[in-house]
Amino acid sequence: ETGVTQTPRHLVMGMTNKKSLKCEQHLGHNAMYWYKQSAKKPLELMFVYNFKEQTENNSVPSRFSPECPNSSHLFLHLHTLQPEDSALYLCASSQFSDRGGEKLFFGSGTQLSVL
Amino acid sequence: DQQVKQNSPSLSVQEGRISILNCDYTNSMFDYFLWYKKYPAEGPTFLISISSIKDKNEDGRFTVFLNKSAKHLSLHIVPSQPGDSAVYFCAATLETASKLTFGTGTRLQVTL
Repeated sequence: ETGVTQTPRHLVMGMTNKKSLKCEQHLGHNAMYWYKQSAKKPLELMFVYNFKEQTENNSVPSRFSPECPNSSHLFLHLHTLQPEDSALYLCASSQFSDRGGEKLFFGSGTQLSVL
Repeated sequence: DQQVKQNSPSLSVQEGRISILNCDYTNSMFDYFLWYKKYPAEGPTFLISISSIKDKNEDGRFTVFLNKSAKHLSLHIVPSQPGDSAVYFCAATLETASKLTFGTGTRLQVTL
């Protein structure tokens, strides 16, 4: 148990569906992240939030829409996805977002399949 | 352009022996390097890190070595145990950012 909980663990959706991924951290951290892991590729940073404010968008297509209502919760809203968006989506948190060497704590991820 | 590279996708080592996992990077601005371990169906968990001002950091069975001139780091696990079987990711950060730049990972299998 890392203190970061992601739901759902698995998600299958059609290209016309709208769904949301949820992440909650119980560590009192101020920064939250979305990462994507595709097969045989490195984990790719998607978004960074610091004290609820988005500080980084790593050129992510607009069909991925993040939301951070408070420092403990992070959502990733999905709509009109493509099959190539099928991947493991990982949420992470850290105490700060602007300090090198900070440990990131990851959730177990949501395995997304887009049909 | 991949800034952090792990060129060995897999490694098999006998229990009790040393496991050496390698990582190369291209960005000389990186200030910290971290190793994460990932079991199936779980997220990555932090293992050990090293600052760019050091060349070695040790924590129990795990030691990370950094060679800045070669832009290379390695993780040594001694002695290797079956529970160490997992995917190991090398990652790097700048001084002023916590976000991690990851390698593709090396799958370690420790056999009996």
